[in-house]
Amino acid sequence: GQNIDQPTEMTATEGAIVQINCTYQTSGFNGLFWYQQHAGEAPTFLSYNVLDGLEEKGRFSSFLSRSKGYSYLLLKELQMKDSASYLCAVMDSNYQLIWGAGTKLIIKP
Amino acid sequence: IAGITQAPTSQILAAGRRMTLRCTQDMRHNAMYWYRQDLGLGLRLIHYSNTAGTTGKGEVPDGYSVSRANTDDFPLTLASAVPSQTSVYFCASSDTGGYNEQFFGPGTRLTVL
Repeated sequence: GQNIDQPTEMTATEGAIVQINCTYQTSGFNGLFWYQQHAGEAPTFLSYNVLDGLEEKGRFSSFLSRSKGYSYLLLKELQMKDSASYLCAVMDSNYQLIWGAGTKLIIKP
Repeated sequence: IAGITQAPTSQILAAGRRMTLRCTQDMRHNAMYWYRQDLGLGLRLIHYSNTAGTTGKGEVPDGYSVSRANTDDFPLTLASAVPSQTSVYFCASSDTGGYNEQFFGPGTRLTVL
């Protein structure tokens, strides 16, 4: 079966760095997405990786290792507004997104 | 309209009633999707449409139907609602070129009693 695993919840301090991991087993791979979802709101796109390596976009970076079925989202200089759920999703061989349950990130002052 | 809109924002529905959730996008995206989101579970695909006039079944299609008469609209119908369909429903759309980033509507919170 297809499976996306990510931690349920993480806590970090304002100004610090946090890494959210995602492991996956899917039928085919056409890229991995990270989305941010604030409570009560819709998911919004953060990043896309299809090749191995690190993609940096401001305070957020995303890493992919296809051979290990592994990705992480790195958030630097954490701000209170980064408190949200972070969703990992893999595009499978049918070009459909398979979603993880999300990681709730709590930022403390 | 800017992006994707969904209606209603929330709804409480008696079991057995028929309900249509509306979704409209103005980005001229070819592909549209309906997901449900339940606590502790990832977004699950209900139905999708790659282009106007075509639809397909996702992971959890039972009890739901869709139509895609034109590019902009993608309504989701619950023919006879059951309590297990209590959920938050998100509509999304994407272009079919590139890496197909999906854009989401604000969601409909549905409670079936």
